[in-house]
Amino acid sequence: DAGVTQSPTHLIKTRGQQVTLRCSPKSGHDTVSWYQQALGQGPQFIFQYYEEEERQRGNFPDRFSGHQFPNYSSELNVNALLLGDSALYLCASSFVLAGGGETQYFGPGTRLLVL
Amino acid sequence: GDSVTQMEGPVTLSEEAFLTINCTYTATGYPSLFWYVQYPGEGLQLLLKATKADDKGSNKGFEATYRKETTSFHLEKGSVQVSDSAVYFCALEGSYIPTFGRGTSLIVHP
Repeated sequence: DAGVTQSPTHLIKTRGQQVTLRCSPKSGHDTVSWYQQALGQGPQFIFQYYEEEERQRGNFPDRFSGHQFPNYSSELNVNALLLGDSALYLCASSFVLAGGGETQYFGPGTRLLVL
Repeated sequence: GDSVTQMEGPVTLSEEAFLTINCTYTATGYPSLFWYVQYPGEGLQLLLKATKADDKGSNKGFEATYRKETTSFHLEKGSVQVSDSAVYFCALEGSYIPTFGRGTSLIVHP
């Protein structure tokens, strides 16, 4: 059973460019969340997608947008890149348990460097 | 808003020593609490969790108890191994939005 996969593993962009990151959830999972992890920091929640809709959003500007496809895979798009967007971007997938609560499974991340 | 505070690292221990990593939180309502581990070059893995007060989560010899009265969820292990060297993150999930601490690096020497 493949876990959560992300592509690409590494990416280098310049300021002002746009980037798209991709995530395939673990088999059987229908919910995808995206996080930004700056060097030496904990992950910061960007947003979560369920049933192709953005369900919750953290404190990130509109430059960060996403999409979820019918097969539950997801994309994270960042426009007008800033130097401060350099980070590890993590995708996590989950499914709602019958008794409530969700267990998230994380992918290995995409490391983005903005020059 | 919600917040998680972890002890700063790195925590350096010898093999078989006792480990405690402190975690306190601020949240409205009754969040679920988690510990994640991140090995070098890898993504986060769920280590253990607790969903209500006085619950004890445990996995791989690690334990943490959800203490509502002290708003804490300290991670403990009785005897650490070199393979436990990693970064540990305390996290909470309240109203759908997960909040993570800054992480505590653990280094275990043989």
